[in-house]
Amino acid sequence: EPEVTQTPSHQVTQMGQEVILRCVPISNHLYFYWYRQILGQKVEFLVSFYNNEISEKSEIFDDQFSVERPDGSNFTLKIRSTKLEDSAMYFCASSLGLAGGPLETQYFGPGTRLLVL
Amino acid sequence: SQKIEQNSEALNIQEGKTATLTCNYTNYSPAYLQWYRQDPGRGPVFLLLIRENEKEKRKERLKVTFDTTLKQSLFHITASQPADSATYLCARPGGYNKLIFGAGTRLAVHP
Repeated sequence: EPEVTQTPSHQVTQMGQEVILRCVPISNHLYFYWYRQILGQKVEFLVSFYNNEISEKSEIFDDQFSVERPDGSNFTLKIRSTKLEDSAMYFCASSLGLAGGPLETQYFGPGTRLLVL
Repeated sequence: SQKIEQNSEALNIQEGKTATLTCNYTNYSPAYLQWYRQDPGRGPVFLLLIRENEKEKRKERLKVTFDTTLKQSLFHITASQPADSATYLCARPGGYNKLIFGAGTRLAVHP
């Protein structure tokens, strides 16, 4: 069964460093997402991406964050200058259709655990 | 604002019993609700989707209901097994581009 994959599974970085989290969405999916989950808290939306552009972003997704689909298979999240509070699990997800539409189920990857020291 | 509320206390049940988890939402009824399973340190795994016009949906030992009057969805696992122990997340669409998740309910099934 197709699945979303993410690399690395764990990333430790120093505050102020840049990190890139990588995802390979399910191959025929058109909509891509990043969510994060701080330890013990809810899964929260960061950004959605369709047709090579951001379609929606949350207030968390400030100028330090960016997303890119550099080729036909990868989808990346870059944090330019990490802060302590960026420590969390980051989940990539993909769907065939929009959240409000008929092909809406989002399938999640296993996550990247980011620790900022 | 649109919110999803789940009972944050863990639910402990005996193997073989039916587990019932509750999801309440605020504001207008969403077009659908989704239920996911999350194991520690792992990503959410999609289980079931129930639409606003569906009263009930089943998949193997799982059953979900959607009550727009009570603004509530119930998630049932019948004949529960220790392997069902996990956190179960309820989610609603927040517009067209995102899911809004509840905090999840942790289920522990004891042999």
